Amino acid sequence: EAQVTQNPRYLITVTGKKLTVTCSQNMNHEYMSWYRQDPGLGLRQIYYSMNVEVTDKGDVPEGYKVSRKEKRNFPLILESPSPNQTSLYFCASSLTGAKYGYTFGSGTRLTVV
Amino acid sequence: GQQLNQSPQSMFIQEGEDVSMNCTSSSIFNTWLWYKQDPGEGPVLLIALYKAGELTSNGRLTAQFGITRKDSFLNISASIPSDVGIYFCAGPTGNQFYFGTGTSLTVIP
Repeated sequence: EAQVTQNPRYLITVTGKKLTVTCSQNMNHEYMSWYRQDPGLGLRQIYYSMNVEVTDKGDVPEGYKVSRKEKRNFPLILESPSPNQTSLYFCASSLTGAKYGYTFGSGTRLTVV
Repeated sequence: GQQLNQSPQSMFIQEGEDVSMNCTSSSIFNTWLWYKQDPGEGPVLLIALYKAGELTSNGRLTAQFGITRKDSFLNISASIPSDVGIYFCAGPTGNQFYFGTGTSLTVIP
């Protein structure tokens, strides 16, 4: 089944403890992206990647890192999480770019205490 | 970044009623996309629009690309309980991708 898989689905962590949210797609898509969703703000793009080793900042990149060493994987790294990074995170992928829409994963609910 | 404002913010309707919602932007988009998000899931693409004035349907859903290219509209006809969810407009600017603030739809059986 074609899909974007994120792990974990739920995560509670403490301020300052580094964490990684994994994302993998099995559709051979070129483009991948991370979003955070907060009430009243919709989804905001954190980082995106157009191909292996090619990444760029979205609207809200502060406090996040990404890497794209393989086409299928696009992990999101929080080096020193803070409570304002408590949010619902989505990974997404697209074959040819944003114009044709993204396929989204099921989300990771992160709580930083 | 771009701001996409959706209205209404939420809707409570009776099953069988038609629904209309819209999305406006402060700047021009060349593509408009409409997504639906079910509770606990990621957004799913419903309709894509690529030309000003374009009207596109997907079952009971119809979306229009506004002629000013700064707005888009989504209509749902004869709503059913499974239409419940949050509807988002979205649009790309280069490789960046912007979502609207969302319209939450509740359908009362």
